[in-house]
Amino acid sequence: SQQGEEDPQALSIQEGENATMNCSYKTSINNLQWYRQNSGRGLVHLILIRSNEREKHSGRLRVTLDTSKKSSSLLITASRAADTASYFCATEREFRDDKIIFGKGTRLHILP
Amino acid sequence: DVKVTQSSRYLVKRTGEKVFLECVQDMDHENMFWYRQDPGLGLRLIYFSYDVKMKEKGDIPEGYSVSREKKERFSLILESASTNQTSMYLCASSSRQGKNTEAFFGQGTRLTVV
Repeated sequence: SQQGEEDPQALSIQEGENATMNCSYKTSINNLQWYRQNSGRGLVHLILIRSNEREKHSGRLRVTLDTSKKSSSLLITASRAADTASYFCATEREFRDDKIIFGKGTRLHILP
Repeated sequence: DVKVTQSSRYLVKRTGEKVFLECVQDMDHENMFWYRQDPGLGLRLIYFSYDVKMKEKGDIPEGYSVSREKKERFSLILESASTNQTSMYLCASSSRQGKNTEAFFGQGTRLTVV
């Protein structure tokens, strides 16, 4: 069964606006990761947040983690056309030997 | 530049054929993964290997097997391909050194079973 569930499934925003995607998961985790996928190609790692961290930044990306609610959010600020992609959250579950389990993803479309 | 390479980008096979999907990584990673990706279902883990000759079933192992004879190579085998195995297959690897490490992905193999 899949661990993560992203929300919304699809999102369209104007270039320059901020995009927020959410992820909920079911079991205790070691860490949560966000990945990007362009046009059905391989996934690229964006950012990892550990279970004892609450917020992390990387360039225009901001990730938060609330372990009490079993949820995370990814904020992309000042969006660009090149941000158009699918975004997936993935969890490394606690006590599960490094398995990385993905959600269904959010399709983000940046409008010019 | 780190790399995970899948042997084919596109593959067309007939129902009942035995199919091999190959994946090679050059990062000396211990962990290797096979996922399949279908529209609306995201990535689902088929099999996971944490060392040579070691494997664990993922969420959807039925109809698949794997082989890890060398650390850098992880093969996914469809014993008798069926049309419901038409999908995008993604291989990934990650390190066990320290906790909390990212996965690196190959470019994917789009398999069509006719």
